[in-house]
Amino acid sequence: DGGITQSPKYLFRKEGQNVTLSCEQNLNHDAMYWYRQDPGQGLRLIYYSQIVNDFQKGDIAEGYSVSREKKESFPLTVTSAQKNPTAFYLCASSMQVGIYNEQFFGPGTRLTVL
Amino acid sequence: AQSVTQLDSHVSVSEGTPVLLRCNYSSSYSPSLFWYVQHPNKGLQLLLKYTSAATLVKGINGFEAEFKKSETSFHLTKPSAHMSDAAEYFCVVILTSGGSYIPTFGRGTSLIVHP
Repeated sequence: DGGITQSPKYLFRKEGQNVTLSCEQNLNHDAMYWYRQDPGQGLRLIYYSQIVNDFQKGDIAEGYSVSREKKESFPLTVTSAQKNPTAFYLCASSMQVGIYNEQFFGPGTRLTVL
Repeated sequence: AQSVTQLDSHVSVSEGTPVLLRCNYSSSYSPSLFWYVQHPNKGLQLLLKYTSAATLVKGINGFEAEFKKSETSFHLTKPSAHMSDAAEYFCVVILTSGGSYIPTFGRGTSLIVHP
């Protein structure tokens, strides 16, 4: 089946640690996205990538980093510079960044800082 | 600039009664509009989308939405709620010209269905 996988489902981080969230898709989509979800705030865009080896900052990129070395993979690193990282993180993909392209979402990773 | 406003943070209905989730957008250009559903601790799933074809759009699970340009609205409706419809619903807008083509999400509406 085609789709998006995220791992792990739950992640615990100590203060001062960097952690990496995995996102993989087998839909052959060019565009991939990372969102952060907090209660009552909807989804906020962290980073997006339109093509391999290229990515752009979203609305809340500070304290996060990404890479896009393969079309299928778009990992997100939450660095120690992110002061309030506890949240639900969602990865998505679309055929392209464009006007008609709906997004397909992974199941999410819940990150908790201890 | 584009923005999308979901007018209700929570909507409560009884099973078997109609559902109305409201969404208004502000955009200087013709938009594409989407509704997604999210069940607890899950990813989002597309319900339906408007892309400048028919103004009444039918989606999955009996949901539909009507694009009204004069009212800048894209409200989501369902004639009869089911317990399984209880979830978070997001309205999303994408500009069709002059913009960045990055989706903008509303803050979500939580649908509560009572037996």
